[in-house]
Amino acid sequence: AQSVAQPEDQVNVAEGNPLTVKCTYSVSGNPYLFWYVQYPNRGLQFLLKYITGDNLVKGSYGFEAEFNKSQTSFHLKKPSALVSDSALYFCAVRDGAGGSYIPTFGRGTSLIVHP
Amino acid sequence: DSGVTQTPKHLITATGQRVTLRCSPRSGDLSVYWYQQSLDQGLQFLIQYYNGEERAKGNILERFSAQQFPDLHSELNLSSLELGDSALYFCASSVAARLAGLNEQFFGPGTRLTVL
Repeated sequence: AQSVAQPEDQVNVAEGNPLTVKCTYSVSGNPYLFWYVQYPNRGLQFLLKYITGDNLVKGSYGFEAEFNKSQTSFHLKKPSALVSDSALYFCAVRDGAGGSYIPTFGRGTSLIVHP
Repeated sequence: DSGVTQTPKHLITATGQRVTLRCSPRSGDLSVYWYQQSLDQGLQFLIQYYNGEERAKGNILERFSAQQFPDLHSELNLSSLELGDSALYFCASSVAARLAGLNEQFFGPGTRLTVL
């Protein structure tokens, strides 16, 4: 079975500071990992994914994520936060060992960037 | 703009009623997914269709059904509506079911359903 956890309901950061949104996962095989962002009254928007290869994945809008197999984590990061980054962020995982092709989404983390 | 369209944007109805939500996937995408988003349950996968056939089922109630038509658009039918069905319903599409776990999904803007 596959599962994903976003341990923080909300993350607060000042504009210009680095931000981290945490995600941990559990799978039987290799994980396929995704980050999505949801702005108010909008659908989810793909940010980046890790399938294989380099542990540091770069995505849209200056975001990146680091895959850590030993810690089963895939934290989302950005060196300098913008007020416009304020949104709901979802981590998703699919177990590469097979079974369902449907990724499991975390409950989401609300990122608030203060001016 | 993801290329996925959903109609209507808002829907207000009464308990016991039946509604139909419509989704058109991105051009070229054969796979369509339906999700329900609510404050207490988060984002819940309901059902997936690929090229007209049901491929995966999630936490979809028996009162709910879906189908995908030959032109690849999909409809989600919700019947005997209850207050608890009030939520945002999203449609998403991706290239193919076989690679669904590798390819990202493209989400529509959602339909906000309010059951009074």
